[in-house]
Amino acid sequence: GESVGLHLPTLSVQEGDNSIINCAYSNSASDYFIWYKQESGKGPQFIIDIRSNMDKRQGQRVTVLLNKTVKHLSLQIAATQPGDSAVYFCAEKRTAGRRALTFGSGTRLQVQP
Amino acid sequence: DARVTQTPRHKVTEMGQEVTMRCQPILGHNTVFWYRQTMMQGLELLAYFRNRAPLDDSGMPKDRFSAEMPDATLATLKIQPSEPRDSAVYFCASGLRGLQVPGELFFGEGSRLTVL
Repeated sequence: GESVGLHLPTLSVQEGDNSIINCAYSNSASDYFIWYKQESGKGPQFIIDIRSNMDKRQGQRVTVLLNKTVKHLSLQIAATQPGDSAVYFCAEKRTAGRRALTFGSGTRLQVQP
Repeated sequence: DARVTQTPRHKVTEMGQEVTMRCQPILGHNTVFWYRQTMMQGLELLAYFRNRAPLDDSGMPKDRFSAEMPDATLATLKIQPSEPRDSAVYFCASGLRGLQVPGELFFGEGSRLTVL
């Protein structure tokens, strides 16, 4: 079941393949970026973060890449598993003005067994 | 197992009724956020508290919405009167260092509100 019935772009991958989820941000003043995973009926869950002085950060099976030149962020999931099926959001924190997290619109990842 | 607890999980009400959503942040956390998630707008920040003081509620419609932290263990979001366009899932999140390390925010499971 859906938590909010979001109409989102969907990425469908086969189990075991690598997944790449992309996010464009608009504010060049953002200094901190986070990827969240939201499973159906649950709240967003932190996956990985990256500061603007870095261009790559690796976690367990996940890698975040940051390209500040084109304001682009990506999340790579290695060996995608059925449990990775969820909606993925990128979020940015801005250095000035409204300083709470601003979330992107999300991408739905569907893992086919 | 520390977690953010939100009540009610589901609420169906009629237009014009008052709705109160409650959030119990993780014990010891001093920052609390309220977000709203809708199909059209995604996740929107409504209000942000640190040490129980509101720091940013610019995302909240002031005429009908109010957010408070009566004590460190309870945050409330009230809508009066409710309207159908308020139908959404409302998330509370808490953290210890707030915006210094936003990734350490922990979200509750949300309160799904339907206003008929």
